[in-house]
Amino acid sequence: SQQGEEDPQALSIQEGENATMNCSYKTSINNLQWYRQNSGRGLVHLILIRSNEREKHSGRLRVTLDTSKKSSSLLITASRAADTASYFCATRPSGGGADGLTFGKGTHLIIQP
Amino acid sequence: DVKVTQSSRYLVKRTGEKVFLECVQDMDHENMFWYRQDPGLGLRLIYFSYDVKMKEKGDIPEGYSVSREKKERFSLILESASTNQTSMYLCASSPPRAQGVTYGYTFGSGTRLTVV
Repeated sequence: SQQGEEDPQALSIQEGENATMNCSYKTSINNLQWYRQNSGRGLVHLILIRSNEREKHSGRLRVTLDTSKKSSSLLITASRAADTASYFCATRPSGGGADGLTFGKGTHLIIQP
Repeated sequence: DVKVTQSSRYLVKRTGEKVFLECVQDMDHENMFWYRQDPGLGLRLIYFSYDVKMKEKGDIPEGYSVSREKKERFSLILESASTNQTSMYLCASSPPRAQGVTYGYTFGSGTRLTVV
């Protein structure tokens, strides 16, 4: 079942601007992850934030997590043309059992040169 | 450079054929996964495996089976291909959760399967 839902579905900005994407989910999670997918390729893991963390940085990426609102945001600062891709959030439910992730449908980001 | 390798980038098969999609990882990961990706539907989990000879159904296992005879290889089998199985298939692997630490997935480049 699809748990994460990204917003917006598509986003077009100018190079150099910041891009913000949001993700909402429905059930309690162990962690939330963000992935990037270039057209026609596999997904690349960007960053993981655990349920007890509120913010995490990696290079030009900043991820926040609000477990009370069941939402996360991904900020890409100083965007570049190479950031053009689809971005997916994925959640791992809390509790034991499977390590399977549930992915959202993605935000398609276009960086205009 | 660690890798998940899917044997084919593009495949065209006929309705009713038995289709094998192969995935190999070189990271000694216990967990392996098969997803399919369709426009407007995102990624949906078909099957996953914790270990050799172990398999678990995901959200959409109907029409598929899997095989994990060796740790590094996870095969997806379409028993009798149908046109509604035309899709992008993505394989992924990850280490198991250990001591409360979880890890991201490493994905292969995908196999775009067309069933005609």
